[in-house]
Amino acid sequence: KAGVTQTPRYLIKTRGQQVTLSCSPISGHRSVSWYQQTPGQGLQFLFEYFSETQRNKGNFPGRFSGRQFSNSRSEMNVSTLELGDSALYLCASSLTGYEQYFGPGTRLTVT
Amino acid sequence: EDKVVQSPLSLVVHEGDTVTLNCSYEVTNFRSLLWYKQEKKAPTFLFMLTSSGIEKKSGRLSSILDKKELFSILNITATQTGDSAVYLCAVEAVLSFGNEKLTFGTGTRLTIIP
Repeated sequence: KAGVTQTPRYLIKTRGQQVTLSCSPISGHRSVSWYQQTPGQGLQFLFEYFSETQRNKGNFPGRFSGRQFSNSRSEMNVSTLELGDSALYLCASSLTGYEQYFGPGTRLTVT
Repeated sequence: EDKVVQSPLSLVVHEGDTVTLNCSYEVTNFRSLLWYKQEKKAPTFLFMLTSSGIEKKSGRLSSILDKKELFSILNITATQTGDSAVYLCAVEAVLSFGNEKLTFGTGTRLTIIP
């Protein structure tokens, strides 16, 4: 079974731009969660989608949004990028919502 | 290929017991090892370890890293039912051009029986 895939793996953007990241979950998994990791912060939860509906949301500003498609693939969008948005963005998929399988991440650098 | 292996995969103990969770790794350009506790959705950060032999401690939880033998352990003493969770180990490696890569283990599911 193929694992969670994320594209692109690396991205460099400038302040003020917007970015869209993509995540394809493990086949059969309907839950997709997004996390942000910055040095020293650990993983911070952004949101979770289940069957195309946002089920949980973390404590991030409205510039961070997401969606899920009928095939369970998910996209995350960040508008009006700030320097502090530079981070590793992780996507995780789950069958049960409990154990999560993480993708390799997208490294976003904002300059 | 970078690899992080956690053992055991699952563990069931009685409240009050002490548990030791293991994490071994094989990565190129190791930077740090992180432990997370995952209960429902969002994993909670526990420890970041970068140096060998220095124990990190937080209440009943402690962790230590051995960079020579490429492993870390997470100890929980006097376990409580609230410790029931999946414990994730992740290893951060430095790639070229200053980028980092995070490789997670699949986790140890710990269940504490009252």
